[in-house]
Amino acid sequence: NAGVTQTPKFRILKIGQSMTLQCTQDMNHNYMYWYRQDPGMGLKLIYYSVGAGITDKGEVPNGYNVSRSTTEDFPLRLELAAPSQTSVYFCASIDRYGEQFFGPGTRLTVL
Amino acid sequence: GNSVTQMEGPVTLSEEAFLTINCTYTATGYPSLFWYVQYPGEGLQLLLKATKADDKGSNKGFEATYRKETTSFHLEKGSVQVSDSAVYFCALSNQGGKLIFGQGTELSVKP
Repeated sequence: NAGVTQTPKFRILKIGQSMTLQCTQDMNHNYMYWYRQDPGMGLKLIYYSVGAGITDKGEVPNGYNVSRSTTEDFPLRLELAAPSQTSVYFCASIDRYGEQFFGPGTRLTVL
Repeated sequence: GNSVTQMEGPVTLSEEAFLTINCTYTATGYPSLFWYVQYPGEGLQLLLKATKADDKGSNKGFEATYRKETTSFHLEKGSVQVSDSAVYFCALSNQGGKLIFGQGTELSVKP
């Protein structure tokens, strides 16, 4: 198993640009999550999904959108990038024992 | 609401010293408690967990006991190594696998 994979690893955006952060897991987990990690801070939940076709907002959803058309994929969309969205983004999935598996992260800078 | 508070870092220790990183939580109901570790440039990895009061989680020489009476889940290790240098996150999970993180504690172990 590859586990949770994320692309790209790094990205620089200009203010107002859009992009999609990709996340894929091959463990057949129903629950998936997107977090952001700001410097010196813990992770904050952006959006989550309990299965294909079902998504819900987390603690900090503004400026982001998600979709979940398959069990494997959970992309995160930034429509109008702002400097406040400069962060490291982590995708995760959870197994039936409650353990979360994290991807390696995407480091995003908005200038 | 739910929250997690960790002792502030950075914590700097010499090799073979005793480690304690304090973690306290506020939660409704009976959350599961976790410690995650993040090595430089990597995603988070589960270090240990406890799912009910008085449970002790342990892994790689690290231990933490779920204390409901003091709402605490302190991380300890008897003899740290240079390879333990990382950022440690305490977290709780109450509903649907959503994790609430503390701000993280950076540990630096010197030879």
